[in-house]
Amino acid sequence: GAVVSQHPSWVICKSGTSVKIECRSLDFQATTMFWYRQFPKQSLMLMATSNEGSKATYEQGVEKDKFLINHASLTLSTLTVTSAHPEDSSFYICSARSDRTGYGYTFGSGTRLTVV
Amino acid sequence: QQQVKQSPQSLIVQKGGISIINCAYENTAFDYFPWYQQFPGKGPALLIAIRPDVSEKKEGRFTISFNKSAKQFSLHIMDSQPGDSATYFCAASKGYGQNFVFGPGTRLSVLP
Repeated sequence: GAVVSQHPSWVICKSGTSVKIECRSLDFQATTMFWYRQFPKQSLMLMATSNEGSKATYEQGVEKDKFLINHASLTLSTLTVTSAHPEDSSFYICSARSDRTGYGYTFGSGTRLTVV
Repeated sequence: QQQVKQSPQSLIVQKGGISIINCAYENTAFDYFPWYQQFPGKGPALLIAIRPDVSEKKEGRFTISFNKSAKQFSLHIMDSQPGDSATYFCAASKGYGQNFVFGPGTRLSVLP
């Protein structure tokens, strides 16, 4: 149980375009989802916390207008990288937890974004 | 105070040996300490976690040792195998399910 599916696993896009990454909890309802960014050989950096039905809380230094997070249902959160630039190229990972089912903190498999 | 320090940065161990990774924290409000294993191109997967009311927790070949007074905890991998080669992250949170502060990671290589 407690499976989090992240899609796509990798994406290449042109500079200036937008990319949407989906994070779904498959067998539980996730009241809270977290979005992380990871650069090569580095640790995970929390970007934002999203709670179902409310606005995301962004960490200091993360541009909320650039990284749009939507958590419209208990099983789906999306991260949209708008007007992507090469410096946005990174590994993006979501994780989810549920207050209701007692599941812990499960990570998705990550999305490798390359902006060319 | 939010930082979690982790060492070593990289570790090479022979098959069958013991791998030891250490972490230290400052914030005494942290009360949940998980270890995650990450393979290249994949998301982290929970290995084992501990709360500060116990000094040791063992699951199979993986053991967490916790020293509350020193604010340190470590991961021991017994009988290390080549399949254990991955990056290991310690983490800490103020309460179960809260967002984590991650250590910088340790790249473990287990030689056959």
